[in-house]
Amino acid sequence: DIQMTQSPSTLSASLGDRVTITCRASQSISVWLAWYQQKPGKAPKLLIYKASTLESGVPSRFSGGGSGTEFTLTISSLQPDDFATYYCQQYNNFSPLTFGGGTKVEIK
Amino acid sequence: QLQLQESGPGLVKPSETLSLTCDVSGGSIISNTYYWGWIRQPPGKGLEWIGSIHNSGTTYYNPSLKSRVTISVDTSTNQFSLKLYFVTAADTAVYYCASPHSTAMLAFDIWGQGTMVTVSS
Repeated sequence: DIQMTQSPSTLSASLGDRVTITCRASQSISVWLAWYQQKPGKAPKLLIYKASTLESGVPSRFSGGGSGTEFTLTISSLQPDDFATYYCQQYNNFSPLTFGGGTKVEIK
Repeated sequence: QLQLQESGPGLVKPSETLSLTCDVSGGSIISNTYYWGWIRQPPGKGLEWIGSIHNSGTTYYNPSLKSRVTISVDTSTNQFSLKLYFVTAADTAVYYCASPHSTAMLAFDIWGQGTMVTVSS
């Protein structure tokens, strides 16, 4: 299995801050990585796929980068709606599909 | 607009079978070559992929659950289903069905609202 490790597990930040979440894969997954946002009691929402492609309708303050084994999700200026938990997911193949452990973005 | 909705019992006894159905509306389950998926999330924990099925019936399962899982598709009713056998308390979770993205076909862009399943006697 390809293990996905996210850091940090919790991030405290203020409105307007630039925040970056890291996701590392245990082996190369090229650019086959997605990022999701999840709010309490809700289903995950796809933000980014293919490591850096913004899903339609997602604000441009979200951006993704990386390839191979190291990836980042950056929020350029944190907004009230962005306080949530973020997950990465590798989809290199069905071997199996795996998610990172999540990063909770909290209000500082 | 494609919508997915999970349904099934919210309480299952240990050693019994968890059965859930995902109703797909706003589009046909055979209108694409996608792999429809099931994902679960234990209370307070992260996401775990259970498995995926193509409308042709081809399936892929998480090896950690493979011996206890069956996913099937019914194109006549536009639904796909999950069966998880011999459940234990560790299977207590919110279960989601999801539709893959049109280009990133193994990422999921449309999710059901999720259904909480508790395993308890």
